[in-house]
This record gives sequence, C-alpha cells and structure tokens, in this order.
Amino acid sequence: AQSVSQHNHHVILSEAASLELGCNYSYGGTVNLFWYVQYPGQHLQLLLKYFSGDPLVKGIKGFEAEFIKSKFSFNLRKPSVQWSDTAEYFCAVNAITGGFKTIFGAGTRLFVKA
Amino acid sequence: DTGVSQDPRHKITKRGQNVTFRCDPISEHNRLYWYRQTLGQGPEFLTYFQNEAQLEKSRLLSDRFSAERPKGSFSTLEIQRTEQGDSAMYLCASSLDPGTGSGANVLTFGAGSRLTVL
Repeated sequence: AQSVSQHNHHVILSEAASLELGCNYSYGGTVNLFWYVQYPGQHLQLLLKYFSGDPLVKGIKGFEAEFIKSKFSFNLRKPSVQWSDTAEYFCAVNAITGGFKTIFGAGTRLFVKA
Repeated sequence: DTGVSQDPRHKITKRGQNVTFRCDPISEHNRLYWYRQTLGQGPEFLTYFQNEAQLEKSRLLSDRFSAERPKGSFSTLEIQRTEQGDSAMYLCASSLDPGTGSGANVLTFGAGSRLTVL
C-alpha cells in the first residue's frame, strides 16, 4: 500500500530563513507527487506537483520541490521564508495502479516568526 | 463555478445519532473523494467516485459509513450511530478524470464539515 512519511511535524523559523521539509513515500511504481498547503482558516490547496520530466518543480510563492527517485523523496524547499508562509504543508502521492487515489502524509506545521 | 461546497460546515450531535454531509463538486469534475482529518494528521482517504460509481472504500471505514453519488454530481456521506471517535473534519475534494491527462488528478478541496460527537 502507498504511504507518505513527513519528517517534521512542527517547524519554527525566523523570516528570511531557508526551509526544507522532508517527504518520503513508499511505492515502487510510477507516481505523481504533490505538496498541498493549508493556510490558517483556508482550504487545502495545491502548492506544486510533479508528474514527469524535470525532477525540480516550481510552485507558487517561490516554493520548489525535488523528486529523487532513488531515495523515494520529494522534499519541499524555499530559500527565504516569509511570515505569510505560516501554514500546514502536506506531501501527497498517487499512482495509476492505485486508481489515482491520493494519499497524504501527516503534515508539517510551519510557523514563521516575524 | 464557486468551487467545492460542503454542507453543513459544523455539526454537533449526540452519540448514536445519524448524520449526513453533502458535497457539491466543481461541475465538470467527474471524480469525487471523501477524506477524514483529525487534529495533527493529514487527510485520511475514505472513499471515491468516478461519476456515480463508487470505485473504492477504505478498509478502515466501518459499515456505519456510507456514501452515495446518485447522479454523478453531488455526493452524500452518512454516518449511522455516531461514536465519539467519529469526531473529525470530513473533507470532500473533486478532480477531473485522471485519464484526461497530466494535471487532471489535482484535487480541489472544499472547506470541510466538522463533526463533533458528544
């Protein structure tokens, strides 16, 4: 069965600090990978996605993620965080063999201090 | 289109009562998903539909839970004989048919229906 593991449950950073959130998935086939974000009081929304091609993908608000197939990882990065990045971040995966059912990690709650 | 709508936003009920949640997906989306989220956890898959067909139901889901999508548009999730452990946020999401190409299986979420069982 597919599963997603996020390394950090809570992260606290100061503004302008760099961010890296770890994500590993367990699935041997071809996968689609996602990061979703939930800002306080808002719906879950897509931050970025990887389907194929360049393993370094860019999303909204300066976020990027790198797919490393050999490590089953899809880590999220941002060079300089802002207070407005305070949110909960979820890594997710789906695959054709799972009927494209999306499985989520437990989430990382990021707090950025102004 | 106003996105994915869920109703009610909040429901407080007593243990043993039945509750029903409704989800209206984005009109052109033929995939509809139900998830459950508890504090400190990510969305947990419950079930999903392709048009009106229910394609999969999580093995974690007891028989007290049932979902329908009778005309391939809106969906309902019913919980019978609620228990305190059912207290959670119930999320609905929709997407295009993944077979229509890359990007089609990106989920659009609703605001969720928060259930509190006393």
